[in-house]
Amino acid sequence: AQSVTQLGSHVSVSEGALVLLRCNYSSSVPPYLFWYVQYPNQGLQLLLKYTSAATLVKGINGFEAEFKKSETSFHLTKPSAHMSDAAEYFCAVSGDTGRRALTFGSGTRLQVQP
Amino acid sequence: EAQVTQNPRYLITVTGKKLTVTCSQNMNHEYMSWYRQDPGLGLRQIYYSMNVEATDKGDVPEGYKVSRKEKRNFPLILESPSPNQTSLYFCASSLSRGPAYEQYFGPGTRLTVT
Repeated sequence: AQSVTQLGSHVSVSEGALVLLRCNYSSSVPPYLFWYVQYPNQGLQLLLKYTSAATLVKGINGFEAEFKKSETSFHLTKPSAHMSDAAEYFCAVSGDTGRRALTFGSGTRLQVQP
Repeated sequence: EAQVTQNPRYLITVTGKKLTVTCSQNMNHEYMSWYRQDPGLGLRQIYYSMNVEATDKGDVPEGYKVSRKEKRNFPLILESPSPNQTSLYFCASSLSRGPAYEQYFGPGTRLTVT
């Protein structure tokens, strides 16, 4: 079985500050990991994904995430927050090829203060 | 434009009145899926389909039906909706069932059952 834990349902940062959103996973098979972003009243958009090619993954809008197997983590970072980054962020794991299901974390709402 | 569309975007209905939420993708994707999103729970998979005439249950299938008669369409059917099915619903599609392929999400359907 696979699972995802996102620490912190709400994170608030100042504009220009570092963004760090935490994600820990559990998987019985080598995982594929994803970060999705959801802007208000919109669907989910892929930010980045880890598929074992490289442990540091760069995504859109300046975000990146590092896969750390020893810590079972896939934290999302951005060096400098913009107001437009305010959204809800979901970490997800996929590995069960039979069902092809994405297992999502509960989400982290990022607030960016001016 | 490559996209997943859902209709309607908003729906208010009463207990027991059958409804269908349509989902269509124009990317010739094999895999399609339905999720529901509830506060604090992230997204949970309801049903999925590997291809035409191939559907199966996800994590929370009770009270829902699906069909996949054409590759592009994957409607979600609530034959007798109840208030606990009030939620935000997302349809998603993926090129293949392999776990490395990201899923593309529709804009969501907000359903309220009174």
